Amino acid sequence: EVQLVESGGGLVQPGRSLKLSCLASGFTFSNYGMNWIRQAPGKGLEWVASISSSSSYIYYADTVKGRFTISRDNAKNTLYLQMTSLRSEDTALYYCARPAYNNYRWFAYWGQGTLVTVSS
Amino acid sequence: DIQMTQSPASLSASLGETVTIECRASEDIYNGLAWYQQKPGKSPQLLIYNANSLHTGVPSRFSGSGSGTQYSLKINSLQSEDVASYFCQQYYDYPYTFGAGTKLELK
Repeated sequence: EVQLVESGGGLVQPGRSLKLSCLASGFTFSNYGMNWIRQAPGKGLEWVASISSSSSYIYYADTVKGRFTISRDNAKNTLYLQMTSLRSEDTALYYCARPAYNNYRWFAYWGQGTLVTVSS
Repeated sequence: DIQMTQSPASLSASLGETVTIECRASEDIYNGLAWYQQKPGKSPQLLIYNANSLHTGVPSRFSGSGSGTQYSLKINSLQSEDVASYFCQQYYDYPYTFGAGTKLELK
């Protein structure tokens, strides 16, 4: 069974940093591109970043480019999102998501999310 | 960036009714469209991909159609468990973008 478990969220002050993790199990992690998607409280979904299976290709939303870094450790079956210079508008539930098959672009599997609150 | 305009924002329907949700892309997305269902307090779940392909395990009362810039999700014979928010997503090009969502309630 595919499982994605996010962690690392919490309350952080504006301008500070936070690193999220997504531990994957139930599949060969190194075979799949992975994604971060976020959802502000009571709002819609916003794609944040994508990384290919070997980390060769990385894409970011303009709203986080230059501040967030997506990475992965295939030996640890873990996806990361390093967030710096956090702003109040980054407050959201952050999901990691996997496509049904590698190189597919829609999200078949989602974690339960980890909540990031940026506030002083 | 490709903008996704989803309508309506909210919808109230009766059990057994057929409902349709629309998404319009700001440019041709060549069927690179998915639909997701999100129930309160839960993670989104994939319903449809490639505009009209039903994801494994999704009831056949859900269907997707469209082409070019216009796409729709239809739910036949509405069930109580279909009460949720629905989102479209284009994946034709980066940055991937979502519609603002449709909240479906029972009348």
